[in-house]
Amino acid sequence: EVQLVESGGGLVKPGGSLRLSCAASGFTFSSYSMNWVRQAPGKGLEWVSSISSSSSYIYYADSVKGRFTISRDNAKNSLYLQMNSLRAEDTAVYYCARESVVAEAGTFDYWGQGTLVTVSS
Amino acid sequence: IQLTQSPSSLSASVGDRVTITCRASQGISSYLAWYQQKPGKAPKLLIYAASTLQSGVPSRFSGSGSGTDFTLTISSLQPEDFATYYCQQLNSYLGTFGQGTKLEIK
Repeated sequence: EVQLVESGGGLVKPGGSLRLSCAASGFTFSSYSMNWVRQAPGKGLEWVSSISSSSSYIYYADSVKGRFTISRDNAKNSLYLQMNSLRAEDTAVYYCARESVVAEAGTFDYWGQGTLVTVSS
Repeated sequence: IQLTQSPSSLSASVGDRVTITCRASQGISSYLAWYQQKPGKAPKLLIYAASTLQSGVPSRFSGSGSGTDFTLTISSLQPEDFATYYCQQLNSYLGTFGQGTKLEIK
């Protein structure tokens, strides 16, 4: 069974940093591109960042470029998101999502349960 | 590329046939996916490539369209279908989502 479990969320002050983790199991992690998608309270979905299976290709939404860094450790079946210079508008539930190898690139076939990041003084 | 879903919310009854529309600001061929999200839960992939049903998704869900206009249809609403639905375009790699359509019980 595919499982994605996020951790690392919490309350942080504006300008602060946080590192999110996503532990993957039930599939060959090293064969899949992985993504972070966020959802502000009561709002819609926003794609944040993507990393290819071997970390060769990395993409960011304009809203986080220069502040967030995505990475992965295939030996540990883990995905990470380092978030720096956090702003109030980064407050959201952050989901780890697996990219389908059957559908078009950027289609997410499995999602974690999410971890809440709150940026507030 | 902007995606506009309509309606933003919808009230329907169990057994109804429901259609949700997603319009893209420019042509995206068939590069569109649909997701279902229930309160407090992660989104779930329903349909990709505009009309291909994801494995395990009930056949009462169907998708159609290409270019700029797409629809998600639920042929006979079941109690577990009341949720928020999002479309997502995959034409550009920085895939964007529609604003969502909340489907509520009448």
